[in-house]
Amino acid sequence: EPEVTQTPSHQVTQMGQEVILRCVPISNHLYFYWYRQILGQKVEFLVSFYNNEISEKSEIFDDQFSVERPDGSNFTLKIRSTKLEDSAMYFCASRDSEDQPQHFGDGTRLSIL
Amino acid sequence: KNEVEQSPQNLTAQEGEFITINCSYSVGISALHWLQQHPGGGIVSLFMLSSGKKKHGRLIATINIQEKHSSLHITASHPRDSAVYICAVGNYGGSQGNLIFGKGTKLSVKP
Repeated sequence: EPEVTQTPSHQVTQMGQEVILRCVPISNHLYFYWYRQILGQKVEFLVSFYNNEISEKSEIFDDQFSVERPDGSNFTLKIRSTKLEDSAMYFCASRDSEDQPQHFGDGTRLSIL
Repeated sequence: KNEVEQSPQNLTAQEGEFITINCSYSVGISALHWLQQHPGGGIVSLFMLSSGKKKHGRLIATINIQEKHSSLHITASHPRDSAVYICAVGNYGGSQGNLIFGKGTKLSVKP
């Protein structure tokens, strides 16, 4: 069965550095999402992406965050000048239409030191 | 803003027991999702429903739109069902990805 893949599985970065989290959605999917889950807390929506542009973003998704689909397969989340509070598990998800469930990747655990 | 409440927060069951996890929300929705989060952190979508009932194997999900309530049932529970079960809702008028998540129910099934 096709899967959403995320790399790396664990990223350790110094505070203030930029980090790029990578996702390869399922190939025929059109809708892409990023979520995050701070340890011990609930999952939170960050951003949705469709037709090569952001369709919705949450309050969390401020100017330090950006998303890109640089080619036909990758979907990336960039965090500029990381802060300690950015430490979390980041999940990518995709779906082929809005009336279908999302498929999630296994997540990238981001640790900011 | 929608509030999603799940109960119970923690649930311990013996293998073979019938399990029910509840979810309530405060504002009308377009769809409700049940997700399973494994101990390693990965998330799997179990159900997406907007009315009625869906069944997949030993899992059954129901939703009552008028009462703003959904239940996830597991029949003949097994230790491999041990995971965190999360309810999430998508609001009318919003992107279908802008899900609001509950805190999850941690299920432990003992052999």
